Amino acid sequence: SAVISQKPSRDICQRGTSLTIQCQVDSQVTMMFWYRQQPGQSLTLIATANQGSEATYESGFVIDKFPISRPNLTFSTLTVSNMSPEDSSIYLCSVDRGQGYGYTFGSGTRLTVV
Amino acid sequence: AQTVTQSQPEMSVQEAETVTLSCTYDTSENNYYLFWYKQPPSRQMILVIRQEAYKQQNATENRFSVNFQKAAKSFSLKISDSQLGDTAMYFCAFTPFQGAQKLVFGQGTRLTINP
Repeated sequence: SAVISQKPSRDICQRGTSLTIQCQVDSQVTMMFWYRQQPGQSLTLIATANQGSEATYESGFVIDKFPISRPNLTFSTLTVSNMSPEDSSIYLCSVDRGQGYGYTFGSGTRLTVV
Repeated sequence: AQTVTQSQPEMSVQEAETVTLSCTYDTSENNYYLFWYKQPPSRQMILVIRQEAYKQQNATENRFSVNFQKAAKSFSLKISDSQLGDTAMYFCAFTPFQGAQKLVFGQGTRLTINP
């Protein structure tokens, strides 16, 4: 199954700044998924990143706030822009293992905005 | 739209006891996948067990088993002989059968195993 390396594992950022989170997969995958997990909450999908095309954003999430890059089949980045304390969350990337075997997740990035 | 509901925000049992976590879902799809994920304090999402909707047999993985009731749209997780390391958040999740699609998660159940 795919192994995902996600970094940074945590960061504390000043409001108004931006943070870029990286996910590297050890095998080629078509789609990568970015989730947000607010404190004490479940996971909510931010967007789906397809290599070679624009990411598809879920309702309530916009590209200007969460720009995503997907330069190749093994790598993706999510940027949290112009951060506010409300952006303090865990951010996770994920890939589909295929054939319904489930999804592999990165280890998550714990973001605190002060 | 698909939804997943976990009605137990928190549960607590003694070590070695059996515990059942509830999950219901709503979908108009006939073929789909259901999962239980575990998230310990390390926040790593770990796949516990998966179920294919077109299979009537309930999935089992060592101490973990499910009770899948397709008509009732119910997918509960039973943990037998619970261990301290089972302490975690547990999320029920759904995805349609076709293609690489997003997971829809339930709200989660915080399970504590007491010594």
